[in-house]
Amino acid sequence: GENVEQHPSTLSVQEGDSAVIKCTYSDSASNYFPWYKQELGKRPQLIIDIRSNVGEKKDQRIAVTLNKTAKHFSLHITETQPEDSAVYFCAASIRGATNKLIFGTGTLLAVQP
Amino acid sequence: NAGVTQTPKFQVLKTGQSMTLQCAQDMNHNSMYWYRQDPGMGLRLIYYSASEGTTDKGEVPNGYNVSRLNKREFSLRLESAAPSQTSVYFCASSDFSGSRNEQFFGPGTRLTVL
Repeated sequence: GENVEQHPSTLSVQEGDSAVIKCTYSDSASNYFPWYKQELGKRPQLIIDIRSNVGEKKDQRIAVTLNKTAKHFSLHITETQPEDSAVYFCAASIRGATNKLIFGTGTLLAVQP
Repeated sequence: NAGVTQTPKFQVLKTGQSMTLQCAQDMNHNSMYWYRQDPGMGLRLIYYSASEGTTDKGEVPNGYNVSRLNKREFSLRLESAAPSQTSVYFCASSDFSGSRNEQFFGPGTRLTVL
């Protein structure tokens, strides 16, 4: 079945450093790739997304890149701050249905002040 | 707007008991979802409803049933709870907006089955 692998499972960086989280998907029909952030005890919230016809998208300190050929996409956070500490989930749409997602297993990012 | 609301926030059940988790959204979204979140497993889709009157299975539907009561409400029922269903359950809703399909999540229900 469809699968999304996410690495690393935990990531610790110093404040001001960059953080990169990588995901690989299996369904070649996937066309929508969102990233969600979940702070401790809170609900997941969308932070950035990208569609398959775009290779890169940026929003301030956050960027996402997509390589359709290799079926992987990555989240890049620059100039990390303590408030970036959270669990980050990648996701991919299933069978081209943008409204149905399969999520990765999450990355716990800890930004050390 | 309240967004997506869920009740209850916490629940403890004994094995074999039944219960219904309630979810409502006030954003006029067509699609609604139920996920479970377990440590190290991410968010796994249980059931979803693409529009009012339709429901479909997700990755882990066994042991659950759903009802899309109307456009606003989407309930999840555990007929005979098992310890393996101990989890945090999130409801979400979404609608197409150009190229984006942001899912808005509720606050979650923490369920423990003894």
